[in-house]
Amino acid sequence: GAGVSQSPRYKVTKRGQDVTLRCDPISSHATLYWYQQALGQGPEFLTYFNYEAQPDKSGLPSDRFSAERPEGSISTLTIQRTEQRDSAMYRCASSPYGTGVNEQFFGPGTRLTVL
Amino acid sequence: DAKTTQPNSMESNEEEPVHLPCNHSTISGTDYIHWYRQLPSQGPEYVIHGLTSNVNNRMASLAIAEDRKSSTLILHRATLRDAAVYYCILNELSGSARQLTFGSGTQLTVLP
Repeated sequence: GAGVSQSPRYKVTKRGQDVTLRCDPISSHATLYWYQQALGQGPEFLTYFNYEAQPDKSGLPSDRFSAERPEGSISTLTIQRTEQRDSAMYRCASSPYGTGVNEQFFGPGTRLTVL
Repeated sequence: DAKTTQPNSMESNEEEPVHLPCNHSTISGTDYIHWYRQLPSQGPEYVIHGLTSNVNNRMASLAIAEDRKSSTLILHRATLRDAAVYYCILNELSGSARQLTFGSGTQLTVLP
């Protein structure tokens, strides 16, 4: 595709519900990142994939957060039993496979609000 | 935690050069220096990166100190569209990837 896309763009949910966010990376990109961005702050790394492998989950805040990329393209981020503190912008980025020095291309984000 | 230090905010006049400083005194030999910017209501956008030598591209120039403990992003002629938060990031090797650790950045205001 032309760029990284994310859906939904906005999600409002009630505390305790599960939510799943989707990321469509640039089609030729092997590496995919998830970030969480609170209002007025810079993005914080959550996890990343090289194709379908997920070498680093160190940024996931708790075991309620999980991510998948089963076929090495589209990825989902699932938050179980959402809490109000999970409210944030969730951003996905992709980059070509390589040394990882390549620039990351960010999507427009999903604004999650937990009531 | 971010390993870079930037001023919280800076102002520039339109069509004048802007020098955005960044300190990274704990940089290691394998860390690249990346700059991203984030316009209001948009995702971060790559600006430039470098390792040791100064770099130029169509958007900006990156001047890296000889000891690599600081760098400066140079916008040669600021426009109103350059108003954004500018993030200086050390692209650190972590396992087999290089994750970006964003700090709070510098909010650049461009005055007409």
